[in-house]
Amino acid sequence: GEDVEQSLFLSVREGDSSVINCTYTDSSSTYLYWYKQEPGAGLQLLTYIFSNMDMKQDQRLTVLLNKKDKHLSLRIADTQTGDSAIYFCAESIPPDKLIFGTGTRLQVFP
Amino acid sequence: DAGVIQSPRHEVTEMGQEVTLRCKPISGHDYLFWYRQTMMRGLELLIYFNNNVPIDDSGMPEDRFSAKMPNASFSTLKIQPSEPRDSAVYFCASGTRTGNTEAFFGQGTRLTVV
Repeated sequence: GEDVEQSLFLSVREGDSSVINCTYTDSSSTYLYWYKQEPGAGLQLLTYIFSNMDMKQDQRLTVLLNKKDKHLSLRIADTQTGDSAIYFCAESIPPDKLIFGTGTRLQVFP
Repeated sequence: DAGVIQSPRHEVTEMGQEVTLRCKPISGHDYLFWYRQTMMRGLELLIYFNNNVPIDDSGMPEDRFSAKMPNASFSTLKIQPSEPRDSAVYFCASGTRTGNTEAFFGQGTRLTVV
């Protein structure tokens, strides 16, 4: 089946690290993505990871993939108030179907 | 390129009326996706096209929903008749497959059915 699950809310203090988690069910996923949605806007791609990798780092962002457990996480180092948004996990299922999770609302407080 | 363009940005309509949402994808993209976003269900894939051909419409909730892509630069999502439970933000996204499929999203259409 095609199902992507995320927790709905996360609240962190400015300067701390944030970790957003995601689980998916389809083992045929080729790529996994993290998108960011700011208020009143569409989604924008933050980063992605190929399914045969287990880690990818991009500046303050670290993506970890545990393919055996079908678990994906996004770590944001030194979280800033500008990082407050909804973060979506997504998987690409052949032949290019993009399935999104429910989104995690990240709130950063001073 | 101006990005993915959706119209209208907001639509308020009465129950039973026909609603048509429009999307202009980014030029050169061969994939087009329609999503619906609600608080309860998050972002649901309704249908997607490749080279103007519908590939998977298993997410379309009912026969009241239909989508077309008559050419590479235009797509519509129609709801007839509309119901209050159709109220949501509808997003169109386009993309092209170069290793991975990055989807570029429009600003969305906020639909309210009263």
